[in-house]
Amino acid sequence: ETGVTQTPRHLVMGMTNKKSLKCEQHLGHNAMYWYKQSAKKPLELMFVYSLEERVENNSVPSRFSPECPNSSHLFLHLHTLQPEDSALYLCASSQARGGSYEQYFGPGTRLTVT
Amino acid sequence: SQKIEQNSEALNIQEGKTATLTCNYTNYSPAYLQWYRQDPGRGPVFLLLIRENEKEKRKERLKVTFDTTLKQSLFHITASQPADSATYLCALVGGFKTIFGAGTRLFVKA
Repeated sequence: ETGVTQTPRHLVMGMTNKKSLKCEQHLGHNAMYWYKQSAKKPLELMFVYSLEERVENNSVPSRFSPECPNSSHLFLHLHTLQPEDSALYLCASSQARGGSYEQYFGPGTRLTVT
Repeated sequence: SQKIEQNSEALNIQEGKTATLTCNYTNYSPAYLQWYRQDPGRGPVFLLLIRENEKEKRKERLKVTFDTTLKQSLFHITASQPADSATYLCALVGGFKTIFGAGTRLFVKA
């Protein structure tokens, strides 16, 4: 068990729906990440939070909205998504500032937009 | 922009042989280079990291080299086993921004 959990594991949503992905880390880390992984493409960094402050935002469309209420929890709020947003969404955590930024990933949420 | 290249073709080897995977990068000077393993439908798992001032790192059957002049890292699995079959990702780390390669699929045949 990696110590990072994600729910739900699978999600099917229509383009007009609103849903949220949840991530929780039990490792005492101080940074959390959202990645998108599409078939045969590298992981794309979406957002990074360090000490609950967003430190990276990689030109992600506004239909994806992150939230980090504390250092253990991270959410990704989804609304009016497009079919091309279908992918595996991975959450990760790491110990930053003094650590080597090695990341511990959750199992991912497989998202299908219909 | 930064670019990472890993063997796009799958690597097929016989059990017991050494698997060697390549990671090349351009337009970047990472502080660290990391390797991860990813199984189908699961998140990547951290394996090893090597710092810019290190040439080689070992962990059990794994060995990583890092040549900052060539901008290349090699990842070796010695005495490979069918259980080593997975996709292996290299990643360049510069602070919070980690850039991943697309990965190389390794198949180890019994």
